[in-house]
Amino acid sequence: GAGVSQSPSNKVTEKGKDVELRCDPISGHTALYWYRQSLGQGLEFLIYFQGNSAPDKSGLPSDRFSAERTGGSVSTLTIQRTQQEDSAVYLCASSAKGQTESYGYTFGSGTRLTVV
Amino acid sequence: GENVEQHPSTLSVQEGDSAVIKCTYSDSASNYFPWYKQELGKRPQLIIDIRSNVGEKKDQRIAVTLNKTAKHFSLHITETQPEDSAVYFCAASGGRRALTFGSGTRLQVQP
Repeated sequence: GAGVSQSPSNKVTEKGKDVELRCDPISGHTALYWYRQSLGQGLEFLIYFQGNSAPDKSGLPSDRFSAERTGGSVSTLTIQRTQQEDSAVYLCASSAKGQTESYGYTFGSGTRLTVV
Repeated sequence: GENVEQHPSTLSVQEGDSAVIKCTYSDSASNYFPWYKQELGKRPQLIIDIRSNVGEKKDQRIAVTLNKTAKHFSLHITETQPEDSAVYFCAASGGRRALTFGSGTRLQVQP
């Protein structure tokens, strides 16, 4: 597609419920990233997929968080047993990426998650 | 891992003045340094980037400088306009690593 698409744009969930957030990257971009942005704060790295390599999960804050990327394209971020501190905007980004060089990210519009 | 520090956290300038935002990074292996602009309620957007084999890069009113020895890089905006008001993030990465972002600078351009 023309840009990075994320859905839903807004999600309100009850504490303890599971949620799934979806990201559809730019066609042909091999790298896909998930970041979290709390209100008025910076961008916190969560997880990164590059081609067929094992994902870099070093930013996931707890084992309640997981993500997968199917067929090298669409990614789903799953948060189990949501807590109020999980409330944030979850941003997905994709980029073209070589073996040794980085390229600029294109971000999606984000999913605003509110846990009540 | 990489650590990126960004200063100042807020910056207010008069329209037409220059604005400078500074970042430092910790990992000498980092070789890519982009800057993002995030307007209120919108997604971050790449405005300029620089690689470690270059010391300075300009794009109209925006310039970025890099000092590899000191591990500093800076964003310079000249002739600021009200539409430059936003939060600006610096970032750094190298090799296969994802970008590490600074904490952001809220720039307010007063008309």
